Amino acid sequence: KNEVEQSPQNLTAQEGEFITINCSYSVGISALHWLQQHPGGGIVSLFMLSSGKKKHGRLIATINIQEKHSSLHITASHPRDSAVYICAVRFRSGSARQLTFGSGTQLTVLP
Amino acid sequence: ETGVTQTPRHLVMGMTNKKSLKCEQHLGHNAMYWYKQSAKKPLELMFVYNFKEQTENNSVPSRFSPECPNSSHLFLHLHTLQPEDSALYLCASSQVAQTYNSPLHFGNGTRLTVT
Repeated sequence: KNEVEQSPQNLTAQEGEFITINCSYSVGISALHWLQQHPGGGIVSLFMLSSGKKKHGRLIATINIQEKHSSLHITASHPRDSAVYICAVRFRSGSARQLTFGSGTQLTVLP
Repeated sequence: ETGVTQTPRHLVMGMTNKKSLKCEQHLGHNAMYWYKQSAKKPLELMFVYNFKEQTENNSVPSRFSPECPNSSHLFLHLHTLQPEDSALYLCASSQVAQTYNSPLHFGNGTRLTVT
């Protein structure tokens, strides 16, 4: 079965802390996306990965294909990083064209 | 500004009403999508249009009727909805439908409440 699991479900951090959000998936994928959803509902695409590591500002995304695992890191976290972070994958098999979404990680960064 | 605009932002409707959600993208993309996000649940794909043709209907009830008159506009017509249809409805677009290297661009969503 094609599944995507995120952890933790909720995360509270102090401003300046280093944050890690994890995503695991069940079978082979062609791509993994990290998305950010703000309280108003809009979703922004942060990264799309198929291997290795990508960095944009204070955000870093890594993926380990063998272990079927990806992490999203936020360095020097700030209250404006508070949002829901969603992992989504495109599996190689099954309904391969559809993205399968994780349940999201609610991040709250306190000043 | 994401390049994908959804209206209205909020909608309250009775179960016997007919209403429509609108989505417009200014990115020159060829694929458009409707997603449903219920409380505490992952996003669920509803419909996919690629070059104005519907390519996916993810077992969505017929009370939801999509329309894609051109590659820039997507509608979701709502009729005799149920309270459990209350959710955030998100529109997205991409260059081509659901290829592995075509990222999605989302609108801000329409928060629908069915009373």
